[in-house]
Amino acid sequence: GAVVSQHPSWVICKSGTSVKIECRSLDFQATTMFWYRQFPKQSLMLMATSNEGSKATYEQGVEKDKFLINHASLTLSTLTVTSAHPEDSSFYICSARADSTYEQYFGPGTRLTVT
Amino acid sequence: AQTVTQSQPEMSVQEAETVTLSCTYDTSESNYYLFWYKQPPSRQMILVIRQEAYKQQNATENRFSVNFQKAAKSFSLKISDSQLGDTAMYFCAFMKPDLPGNTPLVFGKGTRLSVIA
Repeated sequence: GAVVSQHPSWVICKSGTSVKIECRSLDFQATTMFWYRQFPKQSLMLMATSNEGSKATYEQGVEKDKFLINHASLTLSTLTVTSAHPEDSSFYICSARADSTYEQYFGPGTRLTVT
Repeated sequence: AQTVTQSQPEMSVQEAETVTLSCTYDTSESNYYLFWYKQPPSRQMILVIRQEAYKQQNATENRFSVNFQKAAKSFSLKISDSQLGDTAMYFCAFMKPDLPGNTPLVFGKGTRLSVIA
């Protein structure tokens, strides 16, 4: 199956700093990418949907100025957590979908800890 | 809006036995896709099985099969000959294919399955 990578796999940062998470589709072109947040023992919560070359669509309650998403190419999307706070600590997962398919492939996730 | 309900937060099964995980959903759509994903302790999401709503035949993938009841809006997952490696969180998911490529998955809250030796 198709492979999606995420980098870094885990990151620790200080409160007030910004962190960038990369999501790459390695062997296919991802027209659409999704960013999820997952708290321990809970389900995935959709944060935003991004299409290559256009602005991301954020879910209700997700601050677009805090969680900056850039889908600059068909193989790369980035999520930047700006001015991170301890409550932003979570597991972030990206997924990618190829054009005109319903198959969605997930990255391995990034564990963010804000101290 | 579509909703997905998994009413069993936790389940356990003896190795080699069979277990069924429940999932119900609510939608007014006639065409859609349903999925079961597995999330082991590594937290990598893995697609277990998928079902197209227009197909009457239940999907099967080796030891995994579904019981899709469209009228009842039910989509249960049966795991046969359970193995220790099946221990994971299982998520049921719904997708409406109105805009191919753009529609997100709607997930249930998950069922934590433990396979006991």
